[in-house]
Amino acid sequence: DADVTQTPRNRITKTGKRIMLECSQTKGHDRMYWYRQDPGLGLRLIYYSFDVKDINKGEISDGYSVSRQAQAKFSLSLESAIPNQTALYFCATSPGSGSPDTQYFGPGTRLTVL
Amino acid sequence: GIQVEQSPPDLILQEGANSTLRCNFSDSVNNLQWFHQNPWGQLINLFYIPSGTKQNGRLSATTVATERYSLLYISSSQTTDSGVYFCAVENRYQKVTFGIGTKLQVIP
Repeated sequence: DADVTQTPRNRITKTGKRIMLECSQTKGHDRMYWYRQDPGLGLRLIYYSFDVKDINKGEISDGYSVSRQAQAKFSLSLESAIPNQTALYFCATSPGSGSPDTQYFGPGTRLTVL
Repeated sequence: GIQVEQSPPDLILQEGANSTLRCNFSDSVNNLQWFHQNPWGQLINLFYIPSGTKQNGRLSATTVATERYSLLYISSSQTTDSGVYFCAVENRYQKVTFGIGTKLQVIP
């Protein structure tokens, strides 16, 4: 969905490096999410945020941190990247309560940690 | 946490055929969504369907919340339907869990 953008789209880095993945949305949604996708495992939730001051850990938050800089921006950081963090990362947004809380996904960031 | 199981894991269809994909979940849910991931990796929401039946063109979905399952129907399949179909549920604590998907290949 063009209303949800992710940068970079592809990144190759080395073990131990700090990496930041960024997500921006123009949908005006309150809720934002970060997922990772690994072959055969579907999507797993890393962190989610229901508003700027509300950030929650998901299923697999170890080794990751997030920052919700504004309603429209949600960044995911890998403080010290390791090879098993190689995956496809998706950001998503949803409107929140009071509406069908449908999630809209960004195009994904393919991260490779060597 | 809530368990989400999708079946079948893989499906090959001849163009024009119909199919039914199933999603079972282990606990009550606040909402349920179906997504399609195309071969280029893009994820598109198909249905927001915590209960009841919805239709959108050749696709329809039914969720029976009391029996903890949802079905996605694809009729007159086309090659552009190929990809992976995911079911995702949100539990009472507002945590979202995805199934591992059904990989569909539609051949001409």
